[in-house]
Parts: sequence; C-alpha cells; structure tokens
Amino acid sequence: KAGVTQTPRYLIKTRGQQVTLSCSPISGHRSVSWYQQTPGQGLQFLFEYFSETQRNKGNFPGRFSGRQFSNSRSEMNVSTLELGDSALYLCASSFGQGNGGYTFGSGTRLTVV
Amino acid sequence: DQQVKQNSPSLSVQEGRISILNCDYTNSMFDYFLWYKKYPAEGPTFLISISSIKDKNEDGRFTVFLNKSAKHLSLHIVPSQPGDSAVYFCAARGSGNTGKLIFGQGTTLQVKP
Repeated sequence: KAGVTQTPRYLIKTRGQQVTLSCSPISGHRSVSWYQQTPGQGLQFLFEYFSETQRNKGNFPGRFSGRQFSNSRSEMNVSTLELGDSALYLCASSFGQGNGGYTFGSGTRLTVV
Repeated sequence: DQQVKQNSPSLSVQEGRISILNCDYTNSMFDYFLWYKKYPAEGPTFLISISSIKDKNEDGRFTVFLNKSAKHLSLHIVPSQPGDSAVYFCAARGSGNTGKLIFGQGTTLQVKP
C-alpha cells in the first residue's frame, strides 16, 4: 500500500512569507499529526487532525495552523516566516484509535532565508 | 519539561553484539510507547511498540522492555548489524486515542563491522 506522501520535499522561502505544506495519509487512516524537527529541539509535536477536527495542539505560536479535508489529506500553514522556522516538517498518519503504528512521511525540508 | 529522555546521545557496538538503547519517562499517564529509527533528511521508520499493560514485546531482532515502576524502557537489538546504524528515537503517547507522540532526543547508534 502507498505510504504517507509529503509535498514538496524541499522549500526555500524568504522571511516574512507564508508557506503551505501538504500531507496525504495512508488510505484508511483518519488521523494526521504534524511534527517539527530541528537540531536543537528534536522532534516536537505541532498538532493533530482527526476527521477534519483539530484534536490535539502543541506549544507553537498561532502562526502555525493546519486543516484536514474530507479525504483525510492535511495541510499545514506557517505565516510570517522567521529564520527559526527552518526545519524538517514531518507528518504521521494513523487510524486515530487503538494501538497501532504511526507512519511518517519523508518530510518537507523548509529553509527560511 | 522533557517528559521523555534518552540520556545517551550515542552508542557504539561491534557487529554481532547486542545493542541496548534506553529511554526514561516522567508521565505515568503514557499508555503506549514506540521506537523509531531515523536517517538524516528522512522520516522516522517504525520499529516496534509496546502497550503499558505489557512488559515485553519482541519482533525478530528487536525486543522492547518496559519497566513501569521505574518509568524506563529499553530497546534490545540482537545481533546488531552495520545497517542498524542510525538515530533511534523512543516516543510515548498520552492515554487515550491520540496522535500526539512525545519524542526523546534520540540516540545515535553506530554498529562497527
């Protein structure tokens, strides 16, 4: 079966711009979670969407937002980009209930210049 | 407040020997634990998981042990192979059906031929 697909793989943006990242989960998975990985902070949870509703939220400023569509695909948006937003952004999909694997995509490498 | 800690940033073992990676947590409400393997610029790959109601789970060369009283889990890899060289993350999930995982900082494993 197809894995979790994240697009684009790489992005270069200028400070102050905004960016949208996309995540297509494994077919049948209803939960999509987003994580930010930086060298200093490791993997940090941003938010989770389940059945088009935000179910959990991490400690990130309001510039980070997301949404989920009826086909479970999710987008993450970062507005007013800062240099510190440069990171690998990862999404993970799961069924959203019970125990099971959380499958990650390959990530989007965002560089803010 | 780091709820999941991997206190060893790196570990080096000889091929064929056992690798033991450790992880400590502080939140007794975590109900599910996972181990991931990660290469640079890629998403984490799921290895093995364990529910908080168990103390051991085994899958091929990988075994995870959970000591709830000590709030400690470990991943054993036997025998270690050079292809196991990567960064290993432990992750914990809060109780309930949630896609929010809390990750440790990772341990870099090097398996020498």
